[in-house]
Amino acid sequence: DAKTTQPNSMESNEEEPVHLPCNHSTISGTDYIHWYRQLPSQGPEYVIHGLTSNVNNRMASLAIAEDRKSSTLILHRATLRDAAVYYCILSTSGTYKYIFGTGTRLKVLA
Amino acid sequence: NAGVTQTPKFRVLKTGQSMTLLCAQDMNHEYMYWYRQDPGMGLRLIHYSVGEGTTAKGEVPDGYNVSRLKKQNFLLGLESAAPSQTSVYFCASSPRDRGNSPLHFGNGTRLTVT
Repeated sequence: DAKTTQPNSMESNEEEPVHLPCNHSTISGTDYIHWYRQLPSQGPEYVIHGLTSNVNNRMASLAIAEDRKSSTLILHRATLRDAAVYYCILSTSGTYKYIFGTGTRLKVLA
Repeated sequence: NAGVTQTPKFRVLKTGQSMTLLCAQDMNHEYMYWYRQDPGMGLRLIHYSVGEGTTAKGEVPDGYNVSRLKKQNFLLGLESAAPSQTSVYFCASSPRDRGNSPLHFGNGTRLTVT
């Protein structure tokens, strides 16, 4: 199964952009890149996903490298409510089992 | 629209007892998943199902059994609970869309085994 690698933690100041990186060097051509976040004491929440092209939605943007071996989740203006653990995962081709890593704990400073 | 519903929300078991966790989804999704999350850790996949009547092992399947007799329900069973199974259990579902659809999660079941 393709794995993802993320930094354990990051900090950001409130109202500044945040770029959360993810490496997935063993990604296969049909694996989608998904991002979820988990607020304290809650279940994971979908943020965004994509295959090859950059994606935007109301929550965030997803920038995917041309070789697809890495991606970046962009929060355009971090708020205190964005403090959470962010998980980058792949939709493993054929089996569609989603393997979560340890994620990146984002701390937003007021 | 309820989405993914997990029952019960909390449970305390004694070592050796058995129980079944129920996950129900009303979105007609083909794929369903069971994860466990230990304190300060990420989610680990226990078992998953890609359709009614089918199940498959995930990363940490030992000590658990599952059944998907109806498309909308995915049951997780613990035959003989152990303290190491103290965890928060999350169920998720998604449509059959080659990975091009998000996972929908339930709110979790907090299980303590004493």
